[in-house]
Amino acid sequence: QSALTQPPSASGSPGQSVTISCTGTSSDVGNYNYVSWFQHHPGKAPKLIIYEVTKRPSGVPDRFSGSKSGNTASLTVSGLQAEDETDYYCLSYAGSNTYVFGTGTKVTVL
Amino acid sequence: EVQVVESGGGLVQPGRSLRLSCAVAGFIFDECAMHWVRQAPGKGLEWVSSINYNGGSIGYADSVKGRFSISRDNAKNSLYLEMNSLTAEDTAFYYCAKGHTPSIWSSYFDYWGQGTLVTVSS
Repeated sequence: QSALTQPPSASGSPGQSVTISCTGTSSDVGNYNYVSWFQHHPGKAPKLIIYEVTKRPSGVPDRFSGSKSGNTASLTVSGLQAEDETDYYCLSYAGSNTYVFGTGTKVTVL
Repeated sequence: EVQVVESGGGLVQPGRSLRLSCAVAGFIFDECAMHWVRQAPGKGLEWVSSINYNGGSIGYADSVKGRFSISRDNAKNSLYLEMNSLTAEDTAFYYCAKGHTPSIWSSYFDYWGQGTLVTVSS
């Protein structure tokens, strides 16, 4: 159960796009389409923004999109806004009733 | 409106036990898997445990296996986490999360509580 690998930080100017990678293995990200992404403001409840690799829950702007290739999933935030500045985590099902989170990425809006 | 509220956190000595509770409302509890996630100070999110809709299927992170026990009472719309042999490494905010489906494996975490803080220290 090793954590999925995310870059510690990512940044972009308002209106630009930023993409966060989430690299796992053939036992988790590469084997299941149950990858989700969460936005987490410290001290608050994490918020689901992408599930099943590409799907957006109701109410999440279409500026957020997800994809997957092999063992790596990605989250793209387009049209960056100031309120997008926070921490982002990926999560993947890893088999045998277990899950594994990514290491987390802090997004900064310049 | 979906509500997820954790309770039971606090200061506990190393080696002792603590039981967390999660009370829910606003959805059909016995149709959803449930999950516990934690975040240690200055660290990232860590999945802790999951339970399917009827308690018949359970999973644990290696870091808590054999020490923590997840359970649910569908009649009380409540989820629990019994934590034994606690160490300083278990100090964290503990979050309860609702699963979208009855089973663990297809169950994305769609609603979360605000968390309850567990501090293990002498």
